[in-house]
Amino acid sequence: GENVEQHPSTLSVQEGDSAVIKCTYSDSASNYFPWYKQELGKRPQLIIDIRSNVGEKKDQRIAVTLNKTAKHFSLHITETQPEDSAVYFCAASINSGYALNFGKGTSLLVTP
Amino acid sequence: EAQVTQNPRYLITVTGKKLTVTCSQNMNHEYMSWYRQDPGLGLRQIYYSMNVEVTDKGDVPEGYKVSRKEKRNFPLILESPSPNQTSLYFCASRSLTHGYTFGSGTRLTVV
Repeated sequence: GENVEQHPSTLSVQEGDSAVIKCTYSDSASNYFPWYKQELGKRPQLIIDIRSNVGEKKDQRIAVTLNKTAKHFSLHITETQPEDSAVYFCAASINSGYALNFGKGTSLLVTP
Repeated sequence: EAQVTQNPRYLITVTGKKLTVTCSQNMNHEYMSWYRQDPGLGLRQIYYSMNVEVTDKGDVPEGYKVSRKEKRNFPLILESPSPNQTSLYFCASRSLTHGYTFGSGTRLTVV
């Protein structure tokens, strides 16, 4: 089945800096790549997603890039703020998102 | 308000005592799924359902059962819980055009 690797497992940045989280996937048939943010004690929430026919997508301070050839995708957060501190999960799916395979998560800490 | 509702939020039970975690969504989504979340292992899919009476195993189905008799409800059943099923459980649903909406989670402890 699909295997999703996520790096780094922890990331600490100073407020205002950029943060980048990278994921790789194994199944070249994967076509849907969402990112979720999970604050402490809360449910995962979708923050951005990208489909395989698009190379990049932006939403304010967050962006996702996809390299299908290399089978990796990345989350970019610019001008980080303390409220960006959370665990971020990437995921991949081969059937447009019905069954998602998640990475193990990245714990992001933004220090003032 | 569009939401996925799970109950209970917290549950402590003993080994072998059957339990059910309920999940209900009000968005008319066809697809529903159960995940468990464990430290260092991320979110792993237990079962999913693509529509009423259509269910299938995810990556870690052993020890769990599900049913989908109505579109809105997707309960998770542990017939004989064991300590290795102590975990945080999330129900989720989605439509074709939107990503997952997760429930608030159920923290289960089996002693």
